[in-house]
Amino acid sequence: DTGVSQDPRHKITKRGQNVTFRCDPISEHNRLYWYRQTLGQGPEFLTYFQNEAQLEKSRLLSDRFSAERPKGSFSTLEIQRTEQGDSAMYLCVGGGPTDTQYFGPGTRLTVL
Amino acid sequence: QKEVEQNSGPLSVPEGAIASLNCTYSDRGSQSFFWYRQYSGKSPELIMFIYSNGDKEDGRFTAQLNKASQYVSLLIRDSQPSDSATYLCAVMGRGNNRLAFGKGNQVVVIP
Repeated sequence: DTGVSQDPRHKITKRGQNVTFRCDPISEHNRLYWYRQTLGQGPEFLTYFQNEAQLEKSRLLSDRFSAERPKGSFSTLEIQRTEQGDSAMYLCVGGGPTDTQYFGPGTRLTVL
Repeated sequence: QKEVEQNSGPLSVPEGAIASLNCTYSDRGSQSFFWYRQYSGKSPELIMFIYSNGDKEDGRFTAQLNKASQYVSLLIRDSQPSDSATYLCAVMGRGNNRLAFGKGNQVVVIP
C-alpha cells in the first residue's frame, strides 16, 4: 500500500458528460502526478504538481482536461465533454524528496 | 523513436528459472531508471530503481544499467508463479520529473 488513494475506483459515463476524479496522496508527497494508461500500453504522463503549483502539462492534456491541487494536498482531475477515446485507467502518483514515484490504485473510466 | 522501448513479446519461464527483461531508452541524459510490476487490473508497483551503471540487487531481483549503451535490464531469479505479471520499464530524463514508460513485458511463470 503506497498510501495514495483515489476515488472513485470505477466510473461509467455517457459521452458528453463531465467527470471528476480525486486523489489523496500522503503528506510526504509534495510531488503529485497524473498518468493515463490504456490496455496494452504503459502509463502516459498527463500533468505534474509541485505542492500546489502545476509545473508541467503534457500535450496529451487537451482543453477538456483540467487538474488542480489546492493547498498542495489532494488533487482533482476533471474531464469535460467526455469522448469514448477518454476511456482509460487514470493513475495518480505521489512522489517525495527522491525520484521514486508511487502509484495509487487508479480510477477506471469507461465512456459509453 | 520511442523514448523507452521494451520489444520482447510475452516471456514464459519455468518455475525456479531466471526471467530476463530488457529495455532501451533514447534520452542519453536520463538519470533515473525504474522497474514496475503490474498485475492484471491493478496499478503499477515499484520494485526496483537504479541510478548508477552496474548491478543493483534486491532479493530475487537484479537491475542492470549500462548508460553508454542506453540499456537497462531486470533479472528475476528463482521465478515464482506470483511473479507472473507485466513488467514496466520507466525512465526519468535529466531536468524533468515525469516518467516515460515502455509498453511493458508480460512474464508468465509456469509451475
